[in-house]
Amino acid sequence: AQSVTQLGSHVSVSEGALVLLRCNYSSSVPPYLFWYVQYPNQGLQLLLKYTTGATLVKGINGFEAEFKKSETSFHLTKPSAHMSDAAEYFCAVSDYTGGFKTIFGAGTRLFVKA
Amino acid sequence: GAVVSQHPSRVICKSGTSVKIECRSLDFQATTMFWYRQFPKKSLMLMATSNEGSKATYEQGVEKDKFLINHASLTLSTLTVTSAHPEDSSFYICSAKTGPYNSPLHFGNGTRLTVT
Repeated sequence: AQSVTQLGSHVSVSEGALVLLRCNYSSSVPPYLFWYVQYPNQGLQLLLKYTTGATLVKGINGFEAEFKKSETSFHLTKPSAHMSDAAEYFCAVSDYTGGFKTIFGAGTRLFVKA
Repeated sequence: GAVVSQHPSRVICKSGTSVKIECRSLDFQATTMFWYRQFPKKSLMLMATSNEGSKATYEQGVEKDKFLINHASLTLSTLTVTSAHPEDSSFYICSAKTGPYNSPLHFGNGTRLTVT
């Protein structure tokens, strides 16, 4: 079965600093990987996805993530944090062994300090 | 595109009553919708997969008689929490895919249910 581990329930960065949110997945077959962002009392919004092809994927709001099969990782980065990036971020995985259900990590709360 | 509308956004009900939550795909047809439950400061737990015109598929540990799901059309799925209790208080979020199996999910804005 698939699973997702997000390292760090809280990450705090200064405005303008690098954002790095870690995600490791477990899947016995090639996975489909996603990052979503959630603002308070709202649903989730897709940031980016990896299905096949290029391992470095770019998403909205300047975020990108790199699929590293050897490390089973899909870390999310952004070169320069903005105050508006403060939110909850979820890494997610799906594959055919799970009937393509999407399984979410526990989430990482990003705080951005002025 | 790919807008999912969920209603109501907040509901407060008394213990023992039932509450219906609607999830609509506004600009696409969704043969499959997914219902998640999110506990405070926790991740999303998949409750069930809603299939248009057939029975929902529930995840292990989710009471199908308590959380009734109906997917009567390609644009509407409903979740009814029956005989609600305070422990059912939570944030419920629906989602749908616009494409094949490897497509991302599009989420509604969620429903905050409080059972008093």
